[in-house]
Amino acid sequence: DQQVKQNSPSLSVQEGRISILNCDYTNSMFDYFLWYKKYPAEGPTFLISISSIKDKNEDGRFTVFLNKSAKHLSLHIVPSQPGDSAVYFCAASKYGNKLVFGAGTILRVKS
Amino acid sequence: DVKVTQSSRYLVKRTGEKVFLECVQDMDHENMFWYRQDPGLGLRLIYFSYDVKMKEKGDIPEGYSVSREKKERFSLILESASTNQTSMYLCASSSRRFGAYNSPLHFGNGTRLTVT
Repeated sequence: DQQVKQNSPSLSVQEGRISILNCDYTNSMFDYFLWYKKYPAEGPTFLISISSIKDKNEDGRFTVFLNKSAKHLSLHIVPSQPGDSAVYFCAASKYGNKLVFGAGTILRVKS
Repeated sequence: DVKVTQSSRYLVKRTGEKVFLECVQDMDHENMFWYRQDPGLGLRLIYFSYDVKMKEKGDIPEGYSVSREKKERFSLILESASTNQTSMYLCASSSRRFGAYNSPLHFGNGTRLTVT
């Protein structure tokens, strides 16, 4: 049973537009959420995180939104750039315990 | 910059062979992890170590063991490789500063293991 779900296997966006990647979770005890980005032939790299006491965290072009009542997390990239094309993984943890990852979403930004 | 180095990018092994995957990190991190990545399943934790000679099972430890004799090195061992262990294996490390998992993980580039 997957506790963290990324229901869109892929997403295609035009350069300069907004990319929105979604993530749903089932465990209401999760209190920390992270996004990782992965290029082919490389390991995932940490992108941005958010604690459950917040509903938004912003870092440059990247913003993560958390809707606890809906158990929903989203990553917004504005504006999208071709270099953002990668696989994006959502992950969640409970009380500093092990991370649970989603299956990933492939983002393609077309120039 | 943190560097996590995995000794092999690609490995091809035969069923029943004993396989060693090596990982070294250079940032004096306390925590080290082994994950496997499979399409549609994301990253799944195999084993975790929070100190030298200490280890904890992750979600899918069956068929694997680990060794951490030195702080910078974490080895994953497949005692008798099977075809269902064909996968991408990712090593990661993190500091203990914000808790075992709230500190961002730093990943190596992965080892693509094929068991035939």
